[in-house]
Amino acid sequence: DIQMTQSPSTLSASIGDRITITCRASQSISSWLAWYQQKPGKAPRLLIYKASNLKSGVPSRFSGSGSGTEFTLTINSLQPDDFATYYCQQYNSYSWTFGQGTKVEIK
Amino acid sequence: QVQLVQSGAEVKKPGASVKVSCKASGYTFTSYDINWVRQATGQGLEWMGWMNPNSGNTGYAQKFQGRVTMTRNTSISTAYMELSSLRSEDTAVYYCARDVGTIDAFDIWGQGTMVTVSS
Repeated sequence: DIQMTQSPSTLSASIGDRITITCRASQSISSWLAWYQQKPGKAPRLLIYKASNLKSGVPSRFSGSGSGTEFTLTINSLQPDDFATYYCQQYNSYSWTFGQGTKVEIK
Repeated sequence: QVQLVQSGAEVKKPGASVKVSCKASGYTFTSYDINWVRQATGQGLEWMGWMNPNSGNTGYAQKFQGRVTMTRNTSISTAYMELSSLRSEDTAVYYCARDVGTIDAFDIWGQGTMVTVSS
């Protein structure tokens, strides 16, 4: 099975900051990577698919990049609504795996 | 609007089974795979398996092979996930999610169903 490793596990940031979350795959997954945002008590919300494609309706301050085994999620100018936990997810041969999550906290 | 609505919370004893439903509306149920994901309290997301509502074909994560069964009733646009031989470690929120096949990501999620396993 492909393992996904996210870093950091927790990130403290301020409103207006630019932050980056990294996700590494244990083997190449081409661009089959998605990013989700989850708030307490809520279902995850899809932000980015195929590594760099912004889902319709998601603010443009979110962006994704990478291919192969290393991927990043960047949030430009962090907003109050962005404090949440973020997960990466890989797809390979009818199997999906999530990273362990990155909690973005208010500094 | 497009949505997935899940059944309510369940409390089960160890060794029992639980069956969670996921009713789709606002789109053609048979056109998109349904996946199941669970999340223990304070923990991350764990993918359990997928089902094609059109064919009934399924695929399960190795961890759940032999204990999970995913089925559907196309006449009522509803998917089901049954987990057997429950143990305390199965206490979690269980989500169904629609897989947009062209992008292999989950764009619509159910609200979650809390399953508690306790003696």
